[in-house]
Amino acid sequence: ETGVTQSPTHLIKTRGQQVTLRCSSQSGHNTVSWYQQALGQGPQFIFQYYREEENGRGNFPPRFSGLQFPNYSSELNVNALELDDSALYLCASRGGGHQETQYFGPGTRLLVL
Amino acid sequence: QKEVEQDPGPLSVPEGAIVSLNCTYSNSAFQYFMWYRQYSRKGPELLMYTYSSGNKEDGRFTAQVDKSSKYISLFIRDSQPSDSATYLCAMTGNYGGSQGNLIFGKGTKLSVKP
Repeated sequence: ETGVTQSPTHLIKTRGQQVTLRCSSQSGHNTVSWYQQALGQGPQFIFQYYREEENGRGNFPPRFSGLQFPNYSSELNVNALELDDSALYLCASRGGGHQETQYFGPGTRLLVL
Repeated sequence: QKEVEQDPGPLSVPEGAIVSLNCTYSNSAFQYFMWYRQYSRKGPELLMYTYSSGNKEDGRFTAQVDKSSKYISLFIRDSQPSDSATYLCAMTGNYGGSQGNLIFGKGTKLSVKP
């Protein structure tokens, strides 16, 4: 069984640029969520995708957007990057019997200069 | 008041000690409670999952949920240096379109000294 994978592992952008992060869900999982984890903080929910539709969103502005593909993989796009967007971006997938149990990928560390 | 409160530590214990980690929460709709372990620069790893009140044991780890007090705990027996990590509590309930999104505490950084 393949776990959740994310790419890239880390990247550096400048303020105002756009970034796309990618996630492949765990085998058999059809729901993908994205979280932002600032240094020294717990992860904060950005949004969730199920059957290629966004079906839940946290307190993040519209410049955070996403996609889910038919194979359940997902992308997180962030436009007009701000310095405060520097964080670890985590993808989590879930499915099967325990729908509430989410399994996380290793994350993408984004630094905005 | 944040929905989930967790003492960030750091917490330092000698090898073999019993470790107690705790979270309090304010939202009575929470029904599912989890503990994640996060090593430095890694993603969170699910340790324990509990539904509603009660205890759950898995090896050296015991999770307790007291919904009446809105208080959850994780106990680690015979702690090892490899247990050194940040421990995150997380919880969720059944609500609307964002069903299943996890609310996390800030995490407690644990260091187990040999």
